[in-house]
Amino acid sequence: DAGITQSPRHKVTETGTPVTLRCHQTENHRYMYWYRQDPGHGLRLIHYSYGVKDTDKGEVSDGYSVSRSKTEDFLLTLESATSSQTSVYFCAIKGTSGRGDTQYFGPGTRLTVL
Amino acid sequence: LAKTTQPISMDSYEGQEVNITCSHNNIATNDYITWYQQFPSQGPRFIIQGYKTKVTNEVASLFIPADRKSSTLSLPRVSLSDTAVYYCLVGSSNRDDKIIFGKGTRLHILP
Repeated sequence: DAGITQSPRHKVTETGTPVTLRCHQTENHRYMYWYRQDPGHGLRLIHYSYGVKDTDKGEVSDGYSVSRSKTEDFLLTLESATSSQTSVYFCAIKGTSGRGDTQYFGPGTRLTVL
Repeated sequence: LAKTTQPISMDSYEGQEVNITCSHNNIATNDYITWYQQFPSQGPRFIIQGYKTKVTNEVASLFIPADRKSSTLSLPRVSLSDTAVYYCLVGSSNRDDKIIFGKGTRLHILP
């Protein structure tokens, strides 16, 4: 398995509190991604990064911010969590092989906002 | 990324061969076709990738016709453990940073 971990794996929080999820890789890959997955919606891209301090928005970026201060870590922050952000969050990494898009996913973080 | 279309769901029986077709009419010259498999409560995992003709690995085969406007993922002799969601993506590392998944095909294997 690709060296990618997520923390925490589970979190319960209350509406209005800030939450930060961490994705850590040991592969030195350039690209990192945050997705959320909800029943009926499949995987939806929140934000992604194409290098240290280089990030861009995905499909559902409202209410989320990200930071990447070093290659191995990509943080996802919910500034003020809402119940609609209850979801499973997956981080992914991708190398640049010059071929197709091959991503490797972390184990996921299950977030519940009460 | 080229848009892809695949069936929402499929049912099959243990021991059968399952073929899932993906349409990608606007595939670009440099695009590769990649399939992922996702089990419940896990992240998607890469299963196979191809550019043209046929690719086979220990898990599946991928058939791509000459015009590359579609592809077929073939799972030989499926078992209950092959019940999962299968995603087809089309793109190129040289062109696409933003990787967006569709809803995939929910495959249900029956005993």
